[in-house]
Amino acid sequence: LAKTTQPISMDSYEGQEVNITCSHNNIATNDYITWYQQFPSQGPRFIIQGYKTKVTNEVASLFIPADRKSSTLSLPRVSLSDTAVYYCLVGESGGSYIPTFGRGTSLIVHP
Amino acid sequence: DVKVTQSSRYLVKRTGEKVFLECVQDMDHENMFWYRQDPGLGLRLIYFSYDVKMKEKGDIPEGYSVSREKKERFSLILESASTNQTSMYLCASSLNSDQPQHFGDGTRLSIL
Repeated sequence: LAKTTQPISMDSYEGQEVNITCSHNNIATNDYITWYQQFPSQGPRFIIQGYKTKVTNEVASLFIPADRKSSTLSLPRVSLSDTAVYYCLVGESGGSYIPTFGRGTSLIVHP
Repeated sequence: DVKVTQSSRYLVKRTGEKVFLECVQDMDHENMFWYRQDPGLGLRLIYFSYDVKMKEKGDIPEGYSVSREKKERFSLILESASTNQTSMYLCASSLNSDQPQHFGDGTRLSIL
């Protein structure tokens, strides 16, 4: 199983770019990397998913180096509403799929 | 929009009781999952299912069982509840193994 490691917490200020890195040294060939955001008293919700290089959508970018042993979620110009816990997930796709979440990174955005 | 519905937001049960947590999804997803979430430990996978009547153990299956008699419904069963099973329980579903998971809002279960 691919295990993941993330920083426990991060602090930022409104308008800054935030980068959260997840380490997954044992990632398998078929694994995708997915990031989720969770607010208190809610279930996690999908932010972005990638397999290699760079993926960008309307809320974030995901950078994956060639060796795929880590990934970085980039949130441009954060606001107070981005205060949440962010999880990376690495799972074995195809056949036996066993998703493994990290412990999450608690991001606090200050005014 | 995918909707994953968990039957209760809050539940209080007693030690030794048999507890059922129900989860229903409305998007014909193949995969369904049960996690528990505890402070400092993130999400830990209890059981998951690829298809009807199919189940696989996750990282922490001890003390739990599951049932998937219909594609849209995945039930988590605590055979004999214990205080160390007090936790937030989250259900999720996904179309297939390459697609993101969609989560319910969780059931906060307290075992007294």
